[in-house]
Amino acid sequence: QVQLVESGGGLVQPGRSLRLSCAASGFTFSGYAMHWVRQAPGKGLEWVAVISYDGSNKYYRDSVKGRFTISRDSSKNTLYLQLNSVRLEDTAIYYCARDVGAVAGPFEYWGQGTLVTVSS
Amino acid sequence: ETTLTQSPAFMSAAPGDKVNISCKASQDIDDDVNWYQRKPGEAAIFIIQEATSLVPGISPRFSGSGYGTDFTLTINDIESEDAAYYFCLQHDDFPYTFGQGTRLEV
Repeated sequence: QVQLVESGGGLVQPGRSLRLSCAASGFTFSGYAMHWVRQAPGKGLEWVAVISYDGSNKYYRDSVKGRFTISRDSSKNTLYLQLNSVRLEDTAIYYCARDVGAVAGPFEYWGQGTLVTVSS
Repeated sequence: ETTLTQSPAFMSAAPGDKVNISCKASQDIDDDVNWYQRKPGEAAIFIIQEATSLVPGISPRFSGSGYGTDFTLTINDIESEDAAYYFCLQHDDFPYTFGQGTRLEV
């Protein structure tokens, strides 16, 4: 069955970097777009970024453009999110999600998330 | 950016009840609304796609309706296992946005 397992979260100081990973299994990873979504403590869900099946198209929410980079490695069936210049407001549980298709549509499967805490 | 206003934030139902959860969009988004269920400690589950399509494997007690700006998730014959957090998602434009969610108590 489809499994998405996030890792890489932790405590990071403002202005520093962190890389999140999402290990995918149970499907043909190279055939689907993938997303990152986050939820700050006590707040609602917020879409972060999407990458198309082949990595050729990427879209980000404005608040992370220029700071976060989504990428994928089909040889490792892994999705990444590089967080640079992190801010206090980036504190959240980060979820990866598989799209229903190859480009950009709704999420069909979700992981259980990894917590990122930005604090000095 | 499309804002999704979901209501109610909390609702309580008895087994056998029928409940409706609303999701209103700030602009016309055709049928690009989807519904999810999430339980504590578990990954979210996809239950309704494109406003009205029941995701395969999901109980037919769940249904979706609406088009344009007003959407509804209906759960018929509520069971205890339906106690969860429900939220809507629009994928009509970037950034994707979510409703604030509804906590259903059974």
